[in-house]
Amino acid sequence: GAGVSQSPRYKVTKRGQDVALRCDPISGHVSLYWYRQALGQGPEFLTYFNYEAQQDKSGLPNDRFSAERPEGSISTLTIQRTEQRDSAMYRCASSLEVGANEKLFFGSGTQLSVL
Amino acid sequence: GQNIDQPTEMTATEGAIVQINCTYQTSGFNGLFWYQQHAGEAPTFLSYNVLDGLEEKGRFSSFLSRSKGYSYLLLKELQMKDSASYLCAVKNQGGKLIFGQGTELSVKP
Repeated sequence: GAGVSQSPRYKVTKRGQDVALRCDPISGHVSLYWYRQALGQGPEFLTYFNYEAQQDKSGLPNDRFSAERPEGSISTLTIQRTEQRDSAMYRCASSLEVGANEKLFFGSGTQLSVL
Repeated sequence: GQNIDQPTEMTATEGAIVQINCTYQTSGFNGLFWYQQHAGEAPTFLSYNVLDGLEEKGRFSSFLSRSKGYSYLLLKELQMKDSASYLCAVKNQGGKLIFGQGTELSVKP
């Protein structure tokens, strides 16, 4: 696709439900990052992948959060047993190569609201 | 661990020059990025520095001093459309990219 695509754009769920957020990176992009961003704050690192391998998941807040990228393209961030504090904008970003200077292209994000 | 500090907000006048500072501490350094984020939009790439010195790109320049753990973004000939949040981000040797809290820049006429 032309850009990084995230779905759904908005997700409202009840506390205790599981949610799955999808990211479709730019075609051919090797690296994929997940961030969470609160209003007025910078993006908070969650996890990232090179190809299908999860390289670093140190930013996942707890074991309710998980991510996968089984075929090295589309990625899913899953939050189990959601809590109100999980409400935030979840952003995905991808880069063409694995390299220090590779810039990230961000998607429009999924705005998650947990009631 | 990693820590990035930048001012929360700044105000400047249209046509002026503004410098946004960023200091960082990181376990292994593999480059520093600046991103721009307009309200309600996704961040977009502005610049990348990995060696000491100044990188100039049009009205925007970015400087890095690795020994001081310091960078700045310089915006010249400010325009109203430059009102946005400016995010400093550092990549460590493992490839993890960490962002600062962002500096909200307001450009006044």
